[in-house]
Amino acid sequence: EVHLVESGGGLVQPGGSLRLSCAASGFTFSDYSMSWLRQAPGKGLEWVATIEGDGSEKKFVDSVKGRFTISRDNAKKSLFLQMNSLRAEDTAVYFCARYVLTRTFHFDYWGQGTLVTVSS
Amino acid sequence: SYVLTQPPSVSVAPGQTARITCGGNNIGSKVVHWYQQKPGQAPVLVVYDNIDRPSGIPERFSGSNSGNTATLTISRVEAGDEADYYCQVWDSISDRGVFGTGTKVTVL
Repeated sequence: EVHLVESGGGLVQPGGSLRLSCAASGFTFSDYSMSWLRQAPGKGLEWVATIEGDGSEKKFVDSVKGRFTISRDNAKKSLFLQMNSLRAEDTAVYFCARYVLTRTFHFDYWGQGTLVTVSS
Repeated sequence: SYVLTQPPSVSVAPGQTARITCGGNNIGSKVVHWYQQKPGQAPVLVVYDNIDRPSGIPERFSGSNSGNTATLTISRVEAGDEADYYCQVWDSISDRGVFGTGTKVTVL
């Protein structure tokens, strides 16, 4: 059974940094691209970043480019999101998800999420 | 960027059929995926590639896509279907995933 567990969220001041982690199990982690998505309080879903299985290619939504970095450790079956220069508008629940391609890309398994609050 | 519009809410009586629309410019030329999100929980994929269901998703959930509207249909609605539902496409021009605005389904 696929299982994704996020950690690392918390309260951080504007301009601060935070590193999120996602522990994966139940599938061959290195075979899959992985993504981070977020959901601001009371709002909809937003894709944030994706990394290929071997880490060779990374994509980001424009609003986080230059501030967020996505990485992975396939040996430890872990996904990371390094968030720098955080802003109030980054406040959200952050989900990691497995990113798959059938006819087009979508997200077939999601973790429960970790809350990031950016506030002074 | 590509915009997907959903009605904010849909109400349906138990046993009836709920239809959740997802509007977008010529969305019929794209491939649509649907997610269910219950309060405080992670989203769950319920339909992918317009019409396919992941294993474990009841046949009551079905999808269609044509013209400027994609539709998620929930037949024989149950109380447990009460949730927010989001459509999603991959926008090849911006090369990113795009989600609809979300629809809250209330079972009366």
